[in-house]
Amino acid sequence: EIVLTQSPGTLSLSPGERATLSCRATQSVRSNFLAWYQQRPGQAPRLLLYGASTRTTGIPDRFSGSGSGTDFTLTISRLEPEDFAVYYCHQYGNSPQTFGQGTKVDIK
Amino acid sequence: QVQLQESGPGLVKPSETLSLTCTVSGGSITSPNYYWSWIRQPPGKGLEWIGTIYYTGSTYYNPSLKSPVTISVDTSKNQFSLKLASVTGADTAVYFCARVAWWNSAGGSFEIWGQGTMLTVSS
Repeated sequence: EIVLTQSPGTLSLSPGERATLSCRATQSVRSNFLAWYQQRPGQAPRLLLYGASTRTTGIPDRFSGSGSGTDFTLTISRLEPEDFAVYYCHQYGNSPQTFGQGTKVDIK
Repeated sequence: QVQLQESGPGLVKPSETLSLTCTVSGGSITSPNYYWSWIRQPPGKGLEWIGTIYYTGSTYYNPSLKSPVTISVDTSKNQFSLKLASVTGADTAVYFCARVAWWNSAGGSFEIWGQGTMLTVSS
């Protein structure tokens, strides 16, 4: 199974700053079938991006995704107060589909 | 707007069978575009895919799970269900149901989620 490793574990930033989150896979993710989710405390995850870089309807354009193969990145260009949350990457190109362990973005 | 709602007992004893149901509202579970999944999250931990079903009854399971899993669908009630047998404390988690927009034979992104239901395994 593909193991996804997210880094850093915690990212401490201020509102308005840029956040860069990494997701690395132990083998190539087929067709870049890689998604990113945001999870706020006590809530279900919310799909932000799929196919490594396609934003879901309603997701602000400050969220962007890039990468291919084994290395993927989620970038939040300017952090808004509601962006402080945990972010998970998810590969769905190889069975079984798997998630990263999460990166927490908290307020500095 | 499609919504998903999980329901279950909240507490199950070790070695018993866990049963959860997800009710789909605002859309049909028989829509040909969608697949339906279960995902869980132990307290303070990450997410784990359990399995997925199509309305015809085709199923896909995570082979890494230790407990036997069965997912079924009831199209007359617009519901799908999860059964996890011989549960242990390791099965204590929040269980989410979710809709997958497009299945690529290995998986798909989870585009709509239920709010989740906490299930505790304890005697």
